[in-house]
Amino acid sequence: DIEMTQSPSSLSASIGDRVTITCRASQSISSHVNWYQQKPGKAPKVLIFGASSLQSGVPSRFSGSGSGTDFTLTISSLQPEDFATYYCQQRYSIPYTFGQGTKVEIK
Amino acid sequence: QVQLQESGPGLVKPSGTLSLTCAVSGDSISSSFNWWTWVRQPPGKGLQWIGEIHQSGNTNYNPSLTSRVTISVHKSKNQFSLRLTSVTAADSAVYFCARKTSSASRFDYWGQGTLVIVSS
Repeated sequence: DIEMTQSPSSLSASIGDRVTITCRASQSISSHVNWYQQKPGKAPKVLIFGASSLQSGVPSRFSGSGSGTDFTLTISSLQPEDFATYYCQQRYSIPYTFGQGTKVEIK
Repeated sequence: QVQLQESGPGLVKPSGTLSLTCAVSGDSISSSFNWWTWVRQPPGKGLQWIGEIHQSGNTNYNPSLTSRVTISVHKSKNQFSLRLTSVTAADSAVYFCARKTSSASRFDYWGQGTLVIVSS
């Protein structure tokens, strides 16, 4: 299985901050990474697919980058509704695997 | 608007069988473009992909669960289902069904999830 390791596991940030979450794959996976946002008691919501493509309806403050083994999710200006847990997911090979999650909390 | 809704028992006895159904509306489960997926999340933990099925009947399963899991599609009802046998407490989780698009293999629509507890 391909292991996806996110960092940090949690972070505290203020409204308007720029936030960066990283995800490292245990082997090269080209650009086959998706990013999800999950709020408590809710299903995950896809934000970014193919490492850098913005899902329809997702605000442009979200962006993704990377290829190979290292990937980044960036929130350019954190908004109140962005406090949530974020997961990366590789779609390069089965079984699809997720990172352990990064919880973004209010400072 | 595509919607998915999980249903099934919330409590299963150890060594028993977990059975869940996902009802799909707003899309045809017979579409060739999508795969229909199950993902689970133990309380307070991360996400684990369980497996997927295509309308053709082709399936892919997580190797860690292959010996115990079966996913089936029911085209006439526009539903698909999950069966997990020989369950233990480690199988207690919120179970989500989701649609995986053939485009970029992303999970773009999800059910709200259903909590299943394995306990006697």
